[in-house]
Amino acid sequence: NAGVTQTPKFQVLKTGQSMTLQCAQDMNHEYMSWYRQDPGMGLRLIHYSVGAGITDQGEVPNGYNVSRSTTEDFPLRLLSAAPSQTSVYFCASSYSGLRPREKLFFGSGTQLSVL
Amino acid sequence: AQTVTQSQPEMSVQEAETVTLSCTYDTSENNYYLFWYKQPPSRQMILVIRQEAYKQQNATENRFSVNFQKAAKSFSLKISDSQLGDTAMYFCAFMKLTQGGSEKLVFGKGTKLTVNP
Repeated sequence: NAGVTQTPKFQVLKTGQSMTLQCAQDMNHEYMSWYRQDPGMGLRLIHYSVGAGITDQGEVPNGYNVSRSTTEDFPLRLLSAAPSQTSVYFCASSYSGLRPREKLFFGSGTQLSVL
Repeated sequence: AQTVTQSQPEMSVQEAETVTLSCTYDTSENNYYLFWYKQPPSRQMILVIRQEAYKQQNATENRFSVNFQKAAKSFSLKISDSQLGDTAMYFCAFMKLTQGGSEKLVFGKGTKLTVNP
């Protein structure tokens, strides 16, 4: 099994450009989420999904869109990139909801720089 | 809202020695879980240990143990016999328990641990 796959691993954008960070899992997980990690800030939740067709906002959703059309994929869209969105982005998934006894699987991260 | 505070941005320890990383949290909830995650230079997030708030016994996983003080809202991580592979960022995290499953982890800002040979 591949686990949680994030692409690309690195990306440089210019201010105002749009792009989609891809996240795919092959474990039939219902729960998927996106976090951003900034130096000295820890990880903060952007958006999450508890199943296909269901998404909700996390702690820092502004500037990001998500959709969940399939169980496997949970893309994160930046419609107009800003320098404040320079960060490392992590996708994470678990089998059924975010439960303390279930393992949360993390992708390897996407490092995004917005110039 | 819950907050998690890690007051030590950086720490270092000699190989084979013991080090303790601090974490405090603020919540009005009574049922919750606490976690320590390790993030080595590879960026992979690795669960180190978890503690259930209703359990008084401190969790242990091999060389890793916690000191959970619920009244003080403190959750420190002790690493015994430190190894070079323990060099990483360590994040303390909080999860509130809900009937349907919590929707997020709240992370602290992290402590960068360096194990010196």
